[in-house]
Amino acid sequence: EVQLVESGGGVVRPGGSLRLSCVTSGFTFDDYGMSWVRQAPGKGLEWVSGINWDGGSPTYADSVKGRFTISRDNAKNSLYLQMNTLRAEDTALYHCARVGCGSGSCSYFDHWGQGTLVTVSS
Amino acid sequence: QSALTQPPSASGSPGQSVTISCTGTSSDVGAYKYVSWYQQHPGKAPKFMLYEVTKRPSGVPDRFSGSKSGNTASLTVSGLQAEDEADYYCSSYAGFNNWVFGGGTKLTVL
Repeated sequence: EVQLVESGGGVVRPGGSLRLSCVTSGFTFDDYGMSWVRQAPGKGLEWVSGINWDGGSPTYADSVKGRFTISRDNAKNSLYLQMNTLRAEDTALYHCARVGCGSGSCSYFDHWGQGTLVTVSS
Repeated sequence: QSALTQPPSASGSPGQSVTISCTGTSSDVGAYKYVSWYQQHPGKAPKFMLYEVTKRPSGVPDRFSGSKSGNTASLTVSGLQAEDEADYYCSSYAGFNNWVFGGGTKLTVL
């Protein structure tokens, strides 16, 4: 059974930093790209960042570019999100998601974690 | 990276069909056949429902179907059941390892 378990969320002041982790099991981690997707309270889903199977080609939403860094450790089956210079608008539940591959491209999120809550408040 | 446009709400009676639209641009929905849909019940993680516009992963009932025309994709739920009441989100691959989601549609089964 595929499992994705996030941790590292909490309450942080504006301008502060947090590092989120996502530990995975039940599949060969280094066969898959991964992403972070967030959901502000009462709001919709927002793609935040993605990374290829080998850690290459990290990509970011414009809203977090230059402040967040995605990384992975394939030996630990883990995905990370370093979040710096946090703002109130970064308050959200952060999900890690596995990127699934169909015919021709890897384009969807086929497994999701339950999320870890980040609250940015003074 | 503007969000895809979905109606905020949709509804139907048990047994009826309902269609939810998802409008993007020629850079995302219109550019790729890589639209996916997700169902989210309150307090739960999103569940993967459709990929590559029309394809269903194993375990998803064939009551759920998808289509696309130009910059607009659609999810149709046929034979509505009470358990279909949830939020639904579309997503499109936008190239170069980027994605965009819709704002979500709350489906109510009357």
